[in-house]
Amino acid sequence: GENVEQHPSTLSVQEGDSAVIKCTYSDSASNYFPWYKQELGKRPQLIIDIRSNVGEKKDQRIAVTLNKTAKHFSLHITETQPEDSAVYFCAASDRNSGNTPLVFGKGTRLSVIA
Amino acid sequence: EAEVAQSPRYKITEKSQAVAFWCDPISGHATLYWYRQILGQGPELLVQFQDESVVDDSQLPKDRFSAERLKGVDSTLKIQPAELGDSAMYLCASSAMGFRELFFGEGSRLTVL
Repeated sequence: GENVEQHPSTLSVQEGDSAVIKCTYSDSASNYFPWYKQELGKRPQLIIDIRSNVGEKKDQRIAVTLNKTAKHFSLHITETQPEDSAVYFCAASDRNSGNTPLVFGKGTRLSVIA
Repeated sequence: EAEVAQSPRYKITEKSQAVAFWCDPISGHATLYWYRQILGQGPELLVQFQDESVVDDSQLPKDRFSAERLKGVDSTLKIQPAELGDSAMYLCASSAMGFRELFFGEGSRLTVL
């Protein structure tokens, strides 16, 4: 089955700097790669996702890149703000084979220091 | 905006007792998932339903855990008997078919004493 590794486990950045979180996956059949943000005590919420037919996707200060050959994908947050502080999870699944469940990484705790 | 509903939000129980969690997915979402999230880790799948059928329960500890979605709408996850290691957040999520977002509920936090 799919295995998703996520690094780093914790990340501290100064407000205004960029943050990068990296994930690798094992199953070459995976074709859907979402990123979820979970604030303390709250539910995980989707912030951005990418499909395997796309190499990069941007949404304002957030971007995700995908390298299918190397089986890794990354989340980039630019101009970080204190409200970006949260735990971020990457995930992967094969959405062509029915609704194969998402396999999550262990998460990255991002702290943005004002 | 439609949300996934879960109850109870918090449950404290003693080991060997039975507990049950309930989930009501977003209307029209055929796929329902139960995930377990241990503090400081990512969600791990317990069981997936497609309508009323179990699609994947390979990670569900079937000696003590059971899940059902009798009418293909709401779902119940039961643990009997509860063990200390079951303390975690139990998250329910639902989605439509295809490349669609998983919507999570607020979760049910279980503490086993």
